[in-house]
Amino acid sequence: NAGVMQNPRHLVRRRGQEARLRCSPMKGHSHVYWYRQLPEEGLKFMVYLQKENIIDESGMPKERFSAEFPKEGPSILRIQQVVRGDSAAYFCASSQMGSHTEAFFGQGTRLTVV
Amino acid sequence: QKEVEQNSGPLSVPEGAIASLNCTYSDRVSQSFFWYRQYSGKSPELIMSIYSNGDKEDGRFTAQLNKASQYVSLLIRDSQPSDSATYLCAVTNQYGNKLVFGAGTILRVKS
Repeated sequence: NAGVMQNPRHLVRRRGQEARLRCSPMKGHSHVYWYRQLPEEGLKFMVYLQKENIIDESGMPKERFSAEFPKEGPSILRIQQVVRGDSAAYFCASSQMGSHTEAFFGQGTRLTVV
Repeated sequence: QKEVEQNSGPLSVPEGAIASLNCTYSDRVSQSFFWYRQYSGKSPELIMSIYSNGDKEDGRFTAQLNKASQYVSLLIRDSQPSDSATYLCAVTNQYGNKLVFGAGTILRVKS
C-alpha cells in the first residue's frame, strides 16, 4: 500500500512563473490537507479538501494560491506568479476519516523560486 | 500566546534514558492530539495519537494527555541515537479541519 505520493520532489521556478504541486493520497483516503513549512519555521495549515470540495481554506493566502481535489486524479496546489517568499517545503497529508484522524504526510515538494 | 507551545530544545539525553517531551495548547475545545517525528529535510512521521485523558502506550512511546491542564506529553523509553530528530506536537481545532503544530523540540540522543 503506497503512502502519500507527492510530485515533483523538487521544483525550481523563476519569479512570475506558475508552480503546480501534486498529491495522490493513500489508497482509501478521501481527505487531503496541504501544509507549508518555511525555512526554520513550523508547519502551517493551508487547506483541507475532500473529493471535489474545499472544506477549509482559512490558511491559504488570498491571492495567487488555489487548490483542488477533483473526482479523478491527484490534488493540485497551484501557485501563480511565484515570488521568492513562496520558497518553502509544501507537504500534503491524507486521512481515511475526517478531522485529521491518523493523517499521514507525503515526502513533500521543495519549491525554490529564483 | 502561541496556540501550541513546545520547548525548542535541544533536549539531550544519553542512550538508554527516558526522553520527556512536553507541549501545551491554548484551545480548550481541541479534540485530537498527535506527535510527529521529523528528521532533518524529511517529512513529518506520525508516531502517536491520543484523544482522551490519560496515558497511551505504543512500544517505547507513551503519550499523556491532560485536557484540564491543556497539556500533552511524549515519553520515549530506552532512547536510541536513531530517535534524534525534531518532535512536533500537533492539535486539531474544534472542528478537526486543521492541525496546529508547535515549533518542535529537537531531541539528541547521545551514544
